[in-house]
Amino acid sequence: DAGVIQSPRHEVTEMGQEVTLRCKPISGHDYLFWYRQTMMRGLELLIYFNNNVPIDDSGMPEDRFSAKMPNASFSTLKIQPSEPRDSAVYFCASNLGRFGQPQHFGDGTRLSIL
Amino acid sequence: KQEVTQIPAALSVPEGENLVLNCSFTDSAIYNLQWFRQDPGKGLTSLLLIQSSQREQTSGRLNASLDKSSGRSTLYIAASQPGDSATYLCAVPNNYGQNFVFGPGTRLSVLP
Repeated sequence: DAGVIQSPRHEVTEMGQEVTLRCKPISGHDYLFWYRQTMMRGLELLIYFNNNVPIDDSGMPEDRFSAKMPNASFSTLKIQPSEPRDSAVYFCASNLGRFGQPQHFGDGTRLSIL
Repeated sequence: KQEVTQIPAALSVPEGENLVLNCSFTDSAIYNLQWFRQDPGKGLTSLLLIQSSQREQTSGRLNASLDKSSGRSTLYIAASQPGDSATYLCAVPNNYGQNFVFGPGTRLSVLP
């Protein structure tokens, strides 16, 4: 049974470039979450979707960040233009929306903006 | 707004010891609490999920307890092994929503 799949695993790019992170949730899960993890701020929720609809994007830091979920099996997180302070590990997670269901995490994308 | 803290921040113990990790949260109106493990360079793996109606959950050598009224949870690891070395995070829902608030984690090192 495949878990949450994220790509790429690592991304190194120069400041100002567009970055797109991808996530495939576990089949059948109706909630999808994007998190960012840094040493300074820990694990922070950026946005989450229910049935492909964004529910809470209050954690998205700036207008440079956008997320989409065009269908139940795919989501993207885009940063345009990227800045060095965006460097972090970005995680995608999914779960079934019934109360009491654990979240399942992907292995993350380690993003470095030079 | 829900806030989660974890004590200690780091812990180093010899193999075989029993140990306790602590998690505190400010808003007791939660419907569950989840403990995760994170290995270096990896995502989070769910260890235990305790429903608000439960007081504890067990999985192998792990036991998690929940005291909603005092805003606390503990993760007990029995007979620790070097393979238990990782960062352990607890998470609680924010305002009965699906968005979880995570603690900063406890970094555990079990020495052979």
